[in-house]
Amino acid sequence: GENVEQHPSTLSVQEGDSAVIKCTYSDSASNYFPWYKQELGKGPQLIIDIRSNVGEKKDQRIAVTLNKTAKHFSLHITETQPEDSAVYFCAASPNSGYSTLTFGKGTMLLVSP
Amino acid sequence: SQTIHQWPATLVQPVGSPLSLECTVEGTSNPNLYWYRQAAGRGLQLLFYSVGIGQISSEVPQNLSASRPQDRQFILSSKKLLLSDSGFYLCAWSGKRNFFGPGTRLTVL
Repeated sequence: GENVEQHPSTLSVQEGDSAVIKCTYSDSASNYFPWYKQELGKGPQLIIDIRSNVGEKKDQRIAVTLNKTAKHFSLHITETQPEDSAVYFCAASPNSGYSTLTFGKGTMLLVSP
Repeated sequence: SQTIHQWPATLVQPVGSPLSLECTVEGTSNPNLYWYRQAAGRGLQLLFYSVGIGQISSEVPQNLSASRPQDRQFILSSKKLLLSDSGFYLCAWSGKRNFFGPGTRLTVL
């Protein structure tokens, strides 16, 4: 089955810096890669996703890149703000969101003012 | 728009007591539904998923069971809770994308 590795487990940055979280996957059949943000005591919230027919997607300060050959994808957050502090999860799925997701173990992002 | 509800939000139960957590989805029909558990500081563990009424797939042998009595209702149950059942339980639904509910914090004492 699919295996998703996520790094780093913890990331501390200063407000205004950029943050990058990286994930690798094992199943070449995976074609859908979402990212979730989870604040303390809340359910994960979908913040951005990418499908295998594109290499990059951007939404304001958040961007995701995908390298299908190397089987890795990354989340980029620019101009970080304290409210970006949360746990971020990457995931992969072989059926464009309609099948079960395999999640990475999460990255705790801490943005210091 | 679609909305997912979970209740209760928090629950404290003694060891050996029964459990029933409920999840309902609004604004969509025939969704795939999922139950996940998240231990403190850990990742998301898929427990059960359902592609339709009465259809349940179990991912991990558990002291738990799931049922889907209606199209947009998903229930997580246990006959006798264990200490290890403590955690944050999340319901999710998927169409083209997957969305999570607000979660239930379960503490077994």
